[in-house]
Amino acid sequence: DAGVIQSPRHEVTEMGQEVTLRCKPISGHNSLFWYRQTMMRGLELLIYFNNNVPIDDSGMPEDRFSAKMPNASFSTLKIQPSEPRDSAVYFCASRGLAGRYTQYFGPGTRLTVL
Amino acid sequence: AQSVTQPDIHITVSEGASLELRCNYSYGATPYLFWYVQSPGQGLQLLLKYFSGDTLVQGIKGFEAEFKRSQSSFNLRKPSVHWSDAAEYFCAVVPTSGTYKYIFGTGTRLKVLA
Repeated sequence: DAGVIQSPRHEVTEMGQEVTLRCKPISGHNSLFWYRQTMMRGLELLIYFNNNVPIDDSGMPEDRFSAKMPNASFSTLKIQPSEPRDSAVYFCASRGLAGRYTQYFGPGTRLTVL
Repeated sequence: AQSVTQPDIHITVSEGASLELRCNYSYGATPYLFWYVQSPGQGLQLLLKYFSGDTLVQGIKGFEAEFKRSQSSFNLRKPSVHWSDAAEYFCAVVPTSGTYKYIFGTGTRLKVLA
């Protein structure tokens, strides 16, 4: 059974460029979470979707960040324009109804903005 | 405010020695409790979880955790550590009041000496 799939695994871009991170949740899961992990701030929840609808985006740093979930099997996190301080590992996690809040994490995307 | 404390930032043990990683939470009722492990360059893998019932929970890779209500703790243990256990360990709680968010501890980095 495939877990959460994220792509790309590594992304190096230059400041000002648009970056799009992708996530495929576990089939049948109805909740999806985007996190950012840095040494300074640890794990931060950016946004949470339930049944493809954004429920809480209070963790999104600023307007440069946007996330979409057009269907139950795909989500994107976009940064436009990117800045060096956006360099981090971005994780996607999904959760099913039966899991009693248990989240399953993807392998992450390591983003480096030069 | 609800919080999770992992008091040990770094722990070093010798291979074969026993291990205990501490986790304390601040919440009025018993939350749902989780331990995750993150190997270098990897995502977070679920080790074990506690919802209710038996306070000693068995997980994967030989780990167990004990919930102690009186101490608001959920410490992770392993009787004999292997070199492959070197990783970062995160405790997380989900309050049962209806919120969906994980509250993560800051993590404990485990180093294993050969």
